Amino acid sequence: AQSVTQPDIHITVSEGASLELRCNYSYGATPYLFWYVQSPGQGLQLLLKYFSGDTLVQGIKGFEAEFKRSQSSFNLRKPSVHWSDAAEYFCAVRQGQGGKLIFGQGTELSVKP
Amino acid sequence: NAGVTQTPKFQVLKTGQSMTLQCAQDMNHEYMSWYRQDPGMGLRLIHYSVGAGITDQGEVPNGYNVSRSTTEDFPLRLLSAAPSQTSVYFCASSLAGATYEQYFGPGTRLTVT
Repeated sequence: AQSVTQPDIHITVSEGASLELRCNYSYGATPYLFWYVQSPGQGLQLLLKYFSGDTLVQGIKGFEAEFKRSQSSFNLRKPSVHWSDAAEYFCAVRQGQGGKLIFGQGTELSVKP
Repeated sequence: NAGVTQTPKFQVLKTGQSMTLQCAQDMNHEYMSWYRQDPGMGLRLIHYSVGAGITDQGEVPNGYNVSRSTTEDFPLRLLSAAPSQTSVYFCASSLAGATYEQYFGPGTRLTVT
């Protein structure tokens, strides 16, 4: 069965430091992968997506993610974190040709001043 | 475009009551879905629809009904609310096809006492 795992429930980084959020997936075919961000009390906003081609994808707000098939990973990175990046981040894989998404458990990011 | 709208934003129900969560989109998207979000569990798919008149179950469908009489609307019905249905509910929509992103509504926070 398809699944997504985000090993880190909560991460704290200092403002200006680099960030990497981990995501591992289990999927038989070529995965369609997404990262969403959810600010407190808000809905989900798409940060970036991977379908095929270049394994390093750029997203909004300075985020990027690298798809590594050999490691079944799709880790999210940002070189320098801003206080406004504090939020919950979800990795997801799209199941089949329809729109069904399987989400990871989420990683809550806190940013220290 | 208003995007995906959900009403109400907040709702408190007593055990055994019924209610309908409303979801509408004005982007002419074929695909619509309902997720529930619970702490530490990410988002889980309740029901989805690939077009008017077509619905199917997701991962956690028990206790919920849906129908899709128009492209725009996809209401979620709780037949007899239970405390286990206390959650935040998100509606999402997308064009058909795996490469299209899902757009999420702002969510409905439901408490069942």
